[in-house]
Amino acid sequence: GQQVMQIPQYQHVQEGEDFTTYCNSSTTLSNIQWYKQRPGGHPVFLIQLVKSGEVKKQKRLTFQFGEAKKNSSLHITATQTTDVGTYFCAVNAGNNRKLIWGLGTSLAVNP
Amino acid sequence: DAGVIQSPRHEVTEMGQEVTLRCKPISGHNSLFWYRQTMMRGLELLIYFNNNVPIDDSGMPEDRFSAKMPNASFSTLKIQPSEPRDSAVYFCASSSAGGPYNEQFFGPGTRLTVL
Repeated sequence: GQQVMQIPQYQHVQEGEDFTTYCNSSTTLSNIQWYKQRPGGHPVFLIQLVKSGEVKKQKRLTFQFGEAKKNSSLHITATQTTDVGTYFCAVNAGNNRKLIWGLGTSLAVNP
Repeated sequence: DAGVIQSPRHEVTEMGQEVTLRCKPISGHNSLFWYRQTMMRGLELLIYFNNNVPIDDSGMPEDRFSAKMPNASFSTLKIQPSEPRDSAVYFCASSSAGGPYNEQFFGPGTRLTVL
């Protein structure tokens, strides 16, 4: 079945450093969603990308969808301790509402 | 809106006991999802409903697990009998066909510990 590979699994940064997580698929994606889960919390929707080459920004977060729609990235500029958590990518499985999830990238930020 | 509501938030039970987890989706949402999250396996979709009808239950581990959605505002996930390997956080999520995205809104989860 369809899978999405997310790397790295863990990332430890010093506050102020940048952070990037990548999501890759072997098949062309219709769209990709990104979620954030704080420690002890639940996944919260951040954004959806649909168009080839799309770039969206939310303050210090930049989301990109590859030209071939097979990969995506989430980049955080100048991390803060509030960025701590696990970032997941998720993609639609076929013509239904089911999402296929990456394993997530856990971000730790040293103050 | 109160968001997705799950109960109980924490459940500790002994092996062999029946466990029932409950979920109230966001009003107006027509899709409901049950997930299990563990460190080893990450976030796994167990089953999802569309308009109260089970669409995909391929993620349900085995016959010990069952899920129902008797109406648009309530769903249950039952484990009988429970086993220690069922210990996990169980999330319920809902989504709407009418929004610009089909993003899923998660409840706070039920942390299940089976001793």
